[in-house]
Amino acid sequence: KNQVEQSPQSLIILEGKNCTLQCNYTVSPFSNLRWYKQDTGRGPVSLTIMTFSENTKSNGRYTATLDADTKQSSLHITASQLSDSASYICVVSALNQAGTALIFGKGTTLSVSS
Amino acid sequence: NAGVTQTPKFRVLKTGQSMTLLCAQDMNHEYMYWYRQDPGMGLRLIHYSVGEGTTAKGEVPDGYNVSRLKKQNFLLGLESAAPSQTSVYFCASSFQRGFGDEQFFGPGTRLTVL
Repeated sequence: KNQVEQSPQSLIILEGKNCTLQCNYTVSPFSNLRWYKQDTGRGPVSLTIMTFSENTKSNGRYTATLDADTKQSSLHITASQLSDSASYICVVSALNQAGTALIFGKGTTLSVSS
Repeated sequence: NAGVTQTPKFRVLKTGQSMTLLCAQDMNHEYMYWYRQDPGMGLRLIHYSVGEGTTAKGEVPDGYNVSRLKKQNFLLGLESAAPSQTSVYFCASSFQRGFGDEQFFGPGTRLTVL
C-alpha cells in the first residue's frame, strides 16, 4: 500500500534556529515528491518539487533532499522565522494505470517562538 | 489573478440539509480537485475533473456529487449532510499534466454539520 509517513508530528523551536522535517514513503512507482507549506486557515502552497534523479532542491531558507534508494526526504529550514510557523506536508506522486495519484502525508506542525 | 477562490468560507448545516460549495480558478487549468482535511489526517481526494464536462471519483466520494459545467468552475454538492462531513474542504487546480503537476489550492471552506 502506498503510504507517506512524516515525523515529527509537531515541533517547537526558537526563532533563528534550524530544523529538519522527515518524510518516509512507500510509493511505487515513484514520480515526484513535493513539500507544501500550509499556514493556519489557508490552503497548501508548494515549496519544492523533486524527481527521481534530484538529490537537493532549495527555495530560499528551505532545502529539500531526496534519497530515492531509501525512500526518504527531508526539509531543512535554516534560520527559522516566526512566519515559518505552519504545517509542512510531504506529497508523493505515484504513477498508476489511471495516470498519476497523489499520496499525502499527515504533515508536521512547526511552531517558531520568539 | 485571483488564483483559486472558494465560496463560502464558513458554513453551518443541520443534518439532512443540502448545500453547494463553489470553486473558481482563473489560471485556465484543465484539472480541478476537491479535498477534505480532517484533524490528524492527510488531505483526502473526494472528486476530481480532468476537463470541462468531466468528473471522476477520488478516495472518499460517498455522500458528495460534483459538476464541471465550465472550465473555470468546479462545484461540490452535499445532498443530505451528515455530521461525518464536518471538515475543511479545499479546492485545487493544476495544468494539463494533472496530478503530478503543482496543484494550486484555494483558501478552504470550513463546514460544520450539526
